[in-house]
Amino acid sequence: ETGVTQTPRHLVMGMTNKKSLKCEQHLGHNAMYWYKQSAKKPLELMFVYSLEERVENNSVPSRFSPECPNSSHLFLHLHTLQPEDSALYLCASSRESFGTNEKLFFGSGTQLSVL
Amino acid sequence: QKEVEQNSGPLSVPEGAIASLNCTYSDRGSQSFFWYRQYSGKSPELIMFIYSNGDKEDGRFTAQLNKASQYVSLLIRDSQPSDSATYLCAVNSNFGNEKLTFGTGTRLTIIP
Repeated sequence: ETGVTQTPRHLVMGMTNKKSLKCEQHLGHNAMYWYKQSAKKPLELMFVYSLEERVENNSVPSRFSPECPNSSHLFLHLHTLQPEDSALYLCASSRESFGTNEKLFFGSGTQLSVL
Repeated sequence: QKEVEQNSGPLSVPEGAIASLNCTYSDRGSQSFFWYRQYSGKSPELIMFIYSNGDKEDGRFTAQLNKASQYVSLLIRDSQPSDSATYLCAVNSNFGNEKLTFGTGTRLTIIP
């Protein structure tokens, strides 16, 4: 248990569905992240929030929409996804956002399949 | 050129032997280096970090950093079957702002 909780663990959705991924951290951290992990590819940073403000968006398609209502909660809203969006989506937190020595604590991930 | 490069493996090591995992990086300004372990179907877990040239030991794990040659390695002594996992190298690269860049990972299998 890392102190970062993600739900759901598994999600299957059609291309016309709308769903949301949820992440909650109990570590008192100020920064939260969404990463995408696909087979044989490095972890891809999608979004970074620091104290509830988005500080980085790595050119992610608009069908992915993040929301950070407070420093403990992070959502990823999904709509009209494509099959190539099928991947493991990981939430992470750190004390601050990408300071030189910041260590990431990951949630258990949501395995997403888009049909 | 990949920013952080790792051999994808699989790397097979007999139980009790030393497993050696290597990682090279392209940004000479990188300042901090991390090793994450990821079991199949699980999320990455930080196991080692190193900031200075040389060796850093923690139990059976030793991280080695050589900034001149731009590589970082992880040694696992007395390898156990429970060490079988994918090991991700991550480097804090300074491309205008600090950014953590991951390699693709090396899959390690410890053979009993």
